[in-house]
Amino acid sequence: AQKITQTQPGMFVQEKEAVTLDCTYDTSDPSYGLFWYKQPSSGEMIFLIYQGSYDQQNATEGRYSLNFQKARKSANLVISASQLGDSAMYFCAMREGLSGNTPLVFGKGTRLSVIA
Amino acid sequence: DAGVIQSPRHEVTEMGQEVTLRCKPISGHDYLFWYRQTMMRGLELLIYFNNNVPIDDSGMPEDRFSAKMPNASFSTLKIQPSEPRDSAVYFCASSLAGGETQYFGPGTRLLVL
Repeated sequence: AQKITQTQPGMFVQEKEAVTLDCTYDTSDPSYGLFWYKQPSSGEMIFLIYQGSYDQQNATEGRYSLNFQKARKSANLVISASQLGDSAMYFCAMREGLSGNTPLVFGKGTRLSVIA
Repeated sequence: DAGVIQSPRHEVTEMGQEVTLRCKPISGHDYLFWYRQTMMRGLELLIYFNNNVPIDDSGMPEDRFSAKMPNASFSTLKIQPSEPRDSAVYFCASSLAGGETQYFGPGTRLLVL
């Protein structure tokens, strides 16, 4: 069975600093996708970044990068140059298979607070 | 292009009443997912459809819950009768079969008194 673990219930970071949000996963399927979503206080789920299990390079999207360590089964999110607007819940999720046709399994989330 | 649309955005009802949540997926997407978010259980899948056909409804809590997708642009999630423990945020998401990403609607925040 798929499993996602986010061990940090809450994190604080100073504005303009970088922060790493941890995520480990477990699956027996060699083909899978890893995702990070942001949920601000308004409640919507915002897609941030995706990493496929066969991707050689770490995914990057603007200030977001995914530190993919396959052997360790970890997919940490790195946010560079934190902004006050980055304060939100962040969810790591996994899908077995490489296309959009299977459900996501989510971790419990990490609440990030950016301090001015 | 419009994203996933959900209605209503907020719903307050009394225990025992019927509740219907609605979702319009992104045009052209052939997969539609319903998720529920609670403090206790986090985000969990309820049911998902492919080309309007339910594929997996093992996450539907009990017979009080039902979901339909009568066409490619509309799905409903119905709770009858509703109970206070159904209070949650219900998300609809859609994706392309060959695509990587699921796109979420804004969610419906349901409160059952």
